[in-house]
Amino acid sequence: AQSVTQPDIHITVSEGASLELRCNYSYGATPYLFWYVQSPGQGLQLLLKYFSGDTLVQGIKGFEAEFKRSQSSFNLRKPSVHWSDAAEYFCAVGFSGGYQKVTFGTGTKLQVIP
Amino acid sequence: DAGITQSPRHKVTETGTPVTLRCHQTENHRYMYWYRQDPGHGLRLIHYSYGVKDTDKGEVSDGYSVSRSKTEDFLLTLESATSSQTSVYFCAISDNRVGTDTQYFGPGTRLTVL
Repeated sequence: AQSVTQPDIHITVSEGASLELRCNYSYGATPYLFWYVQSPGQGLQLLLKYFSGDTLVQGIKGFEAEFKRSQSSFNLRKPSVHWSDAAEYFCAVGFSGGYQKVTFGTGTKLQVIP
Repeated sequence: DAGITQSPRHKVTETGTPVTLRCHQTENHRYMYWYRQDPGHGLRLIHYSYGVKDTDKGEVSDGYSVSRSKTEDFLLTLESATSSQTSVYFCAISDNRVGTDTQYFGPGTRLTVL
């Protein structure tokens, strides 16, 4: 069965600093990978997704992620964090079936300090 | 933003009472999902629907039932609420069942069972 691991529960960064959130997955076939963001009291919003092609994926809000098959990783990065980026971030892996099955990681909560 | 609403947004109820949560979409998407979100567990699928009157179980379906009588509405019912069902419930929709499809999320319903 597929699984997603986000090893960092909380991360604190200073505004303007760079950010990298880690995600490792376990899946036997070609993975479809997603990063979602959840602001407090809100639903999840898609930041970016990877399913084929260029392993460096650009998303909204200045985020990017790199798929590394050899490391089974799909880490999310941003070169300069803004206070509004404070939220919880979820990595997920999806695959096709009778429905679109998506397995989510447990999330990383990002705190941004001035 | 995807046209997804959930009602109620907050509910407090007592153990043993029935509870129904509603998800309404204006996107005419075929697939609808109910997830629950709990700390340390990420999002877990309760039930999903692949069309009117077509529903199936997810990974944590015990104690829950669903119905979909119209494309736009997907109801989640807790027949007899228990404290373990205290959670935040999210509805999601997608247009396809392929792994690369994006799921769009509603704002969530916070349910407290006393």
